[in-house]
Amino acid sequence: GAVVSQHPSWVICKSGTSVKIECRSLDFQATTMFWYRQFPKQSLMLMATSNEGSKATYEQGVEKDKFLINHASLTLSTLTVTSAHPEDSSFYICSARAGLTGTSVEVDTQYFGPGTRLTVL
Amino acid sequence: AQRVTQPEKLLSVFKGAPVELKCNYSYSGSPELFWYVQYSRQRLQLLLRHISRESIKGFTADLNKGETSFHLKKPFAQEEDSAMYYCALDVQAAGNKLTFGGGTRVLVKP
Repeated sequence: GAVVSQHPSWVICKSGTSVKIECRSLDFQATTMFWYRQFPKQSLMLMATSNEGSKATYEQGVEKDKFLINHASLTLSTLTVTSAHPEDSSFYICSARAGLTGTSVEVDTQYFGPGTRLTVL
Repeated sequence: AQRVTQPEKLLSVFKGAPVELKCNYSYSGSPELFWYVQYSRQRLQLLLRHISRESIKGFTADLNKGETSFHLKKPFAQEEDSAMYYCALDVQAAGNKLTFGGGTRVLVKP
């Protein structure tokens, strides 16, 4: 099936530092990528929508200056958590929405990355 | 605004028994609905979407616009079906964002 990778899979950082998380669609082009946050035993909460070459659209309550999103190409989006604090510790998940149907891809379907666990000390 | 409700947080069934996961949505337009599954320590995977009308791993789901529901069913549950299941609504008018339900944990006992 369609593969979406995230790097790193986990990261521990000190309070005040910035952390960058990469999301790549490996075998298809993504018209749109999405960033979610998932708390333990809870559902996914959408943070922002990222389109290649344009500014990300943030959900209500998500600080755009805190969570910087860059969508450099049709296969890569990055999320940077700036000046991280312990309350930013969470599981961050990206998804990529296929733009064209392929052998293992359904168009207009979101495929999810494995997630990145961020722990801020 | 659109909303997806999964009323059951936990469903516990015995192997071989039928299982039905309820999903109700609220959306005034034409909905596009999905079921995603998350096995332990794995990523979210697409299980099925209503447009495809396929049966994946023995699961089926029918969109009922009158009842605004998209319940997931399997006639004979297997232990490997134990997982977290999420119903999701794709709203094109909202930039194709997925709105997720709260999820239902399915536990299939031997």
